[in-house]
Amino acid sequence: AQTVTQSQPEMSVQEAETVTLSCTYDTSESDYYLFWYKQPPSRQMILVIRQEAYKQQNATENRFSVNFQKAAKSFSLKISDSQLGDAAMYFCAYRSADAGGTSYGKLTFGQGTILTVHP
Amino acid sequence: DSGVTQTPKHLITATGQRVTLRCSPRSGDLSVYWYQQSLDQGLQFLIQYYNGEERAKGNILERFSAQQFPDLHSELNLSSLELGDSALYFCASSVEGLLPTGELFFGEGSRLTVL
Repeated sequence: AQTVTQSQPEMSVQEAETVTLSCTYDTSESDYYLFWYKQPPSRQMILVIRQEAYKQQNATENRFSVNFQKAAKSFSLKISDSQLGDAAMYFCAYRSADAGGTSYGKLTFGQGTILTVHP
Repeated sequence: DSGVTQTPKHLITATGQRVTLRCSPRSGDLSVYWYQQSLDQGLQFLIQYYNGEERAKGNILERFSAQQFPDLHSELNLSSLELGDSALYFCASSVEGLLPTGELFFGEGSRLTVL
């Protein structure tokens, strides 16, 4: 079974600074997807960024970028120019692309990292 | 707004009772997923339906059941409720069925409190 580990229960950053959230995962599959979701106090789960495992290029969405290291099974999220609105719980998630597998389709989440942004 | 609608947003009930949570997926999405979020267990996958059929089952208790109707909305039934069932229950939907290609879109969740 796949597992996702976020080793940082809490992180903090000053407004306008950069912060990196860590995520590692364990899988024997070669084809999969990785995501970062954000959960603000409103509790809505919001997709921040996604990465397909077959793509070597790291995904970028505005101020958000990832460092995807497939061999190391590492998937970190970098937030540049942090804003007060970035304060939230961030979840790393794994999704199998194997249609025949028992884990097909579902997202497996890490435990989450609470990000605090200081003005 | 993700387009996924969950009702009710908040629910308070007593131990031993039964409740039903409802989810309407995004227009066109055939897959529905249910997740439970609690402080001690994190986000746990419960069950997935695709076009009315159960497709995958996770850590769902026997006291819980779900179904997806022909109009694609889904219901999660929780019975013989215990204090430990207090949690945030999320529904999510996705457009693909045979092959997972995209992300899941989440509703705002239903907060269940069992007293």
